[in-house]
Amino acid sequence: RKEVEQDPGPFNVPEGATVAFNCTYSNSASQSFFWYRQDCRKEPKLLMSVYSSGNEDGRFTAQLNRASQYISLLIRDSKLSDSATYLCVVRSGGYQKVTFGIGTKLQVIP
Amino acid sequence: GAGVSQSPSNKVTEKGKDVELRCDPISGHTALYWYRQSLGQGLEFLIYFQGNSAPDKSGLPSDRFSAERTGGSVSTLTIQRTQQEDSAVYLCASSLKTPYEQYFGPGTRLTVT
Repeated sequence: RKEVEQDPGPFNVPEGATVAFNCTYSNSASQSFFWYRQDCRKEPKLLMSVYSSGNEDGRFTAQLNRASQYISLLIRDSKLSDSATYLCVVRSGGYQKVTFGIGTKLQVIP
Repeated sequence: GAGVSQSPSNKVTEKGKDVELRCDPISGHTALYWYRQSLGQGLEFLIYFQGNSAPDKSGLPSDRFSAERTGGSVSTLTIQRTQQEDSAVYLCASSLKTPYEQYFGPGTRLTVT
């Protein structure tokens, strides 16, 4: 089983829709979780960290479910500019290594 | 301020040649990471530096790959005797202390012909 698994998509959604992605992780001792965004042929950029209590940043909400070992990202009122690949990132262990998921591709359609 | 820079942006090389990829992290960032990303694939961790030392080299795919970091700043990733399967985008990232936010460079696109 992969350390971090994501549905690669693509998810094709109309503008204004709400869309959610999940990401599962295999190591129950994982400590930190993040969502990064990667535009086509660009480098990844941090979108948001995922806290145990869940967190929200504008139209974006991230949740952590430790019991089921997954994190989620919810995007409300999708914009065309949200079209990108969303990478799930998990940190495990006492050092600095993080593991990236393969990414979920989102395409917002006019 | 200046972000992470990488050079060259593109490199085409013949199979069997050696290549050097360079990464200039954000000034003051002590942690530096190398990843590679093949077409349609996720990021594959290669190596991590804390200062000049590399506590984790577990991701280097073979002994043809090596990396060094000098002065706690610039890092060089060297691939010897390149193979076609080495073709990928090589991304460098740096972070201030922890991996909580990694800042990525634009990458070097390596093509081995």
